[in-house]
Amino acid sequence: KQEVTQIPAALSVPEGENLVLNCSFTDSAIYNLQWFRQDPGKGLTSLLLIQSSQREQTSGRLNASLDKSSGRSTLYIAASQPGDSATYLCAPTGDMRFGAGTRLTVKP
Amino acid sequence: DTGVSQDPRHKITKRGQNVTFRCDPISEHNRLYWYRQTLGQGPEFLTYFQNEAQLEKSRLLSDRFSAERPKGSFSTLEIQRTEQGDSAMYLCASSLRGTGGKEKLFFGSGTQLSVL
Repeated sequence: KQEVTQIPAALSVPEGENLVLNCSFTDSAIYNLQWFRQDPGKGLTSLLLIQSSQREQTSGRLNASLDKSSGRSTLYIAASQPGDSATYLCAPTGDMRFGAGTRLTVKP
Repeated sequence: DTGVSQDPRHKITKRGQNVTFRCDPISEHNRLYWYRQTLGQGPEFLTYFQNEAQLEKSRLLSDRFSAERPKGSFSTLEIQRTEQGDSAMYLCASSLRGTGGKEKLFFGSGTQLSVL
């Protein structure tokens, strides 16, 4: 069974900082990996999906990388804004298990 | 693409009562997942369907929980004899699992259950 770990559990940064969120998984036999954000009391919104054949995927200020062999993915957020404050979750597909996420707070 | 719909959005019930939630996935999506989420935790996998077949059920799911997807479209999750520990957000997600394993999850807004 896939085990997903996200580090750090919580992160607080001033507006404008670049930051990196980490996701590790135990079973590298995945097809792709999806990053989500979740606002309090809401469902999950998909941010990026990286296919196993890709190493990176970009959307606006977000960049996600995937290293299947080491069981790691990172989500890079450039020039963070208060509106980025949310919980960020990753899920390797095929198993669709989640870690506890990283709770991000961006202070104005 | 009308998105994944969940009904109701909120449910308050008394301990011992039965509750049923409904999820309408994106049409043509063949997979449907149910998750439970408590405050500060990530979504906890409960069960999933491929079309109408229930392919996996978490061992954390007691026999008070049952899910169905009778025609491979909408799904229901029933909790019998609710307990206060069942209070949580129940999330539904759907996907189109294609050849090669490519799959992208889409989530509904969830049903918030409060057991008094």
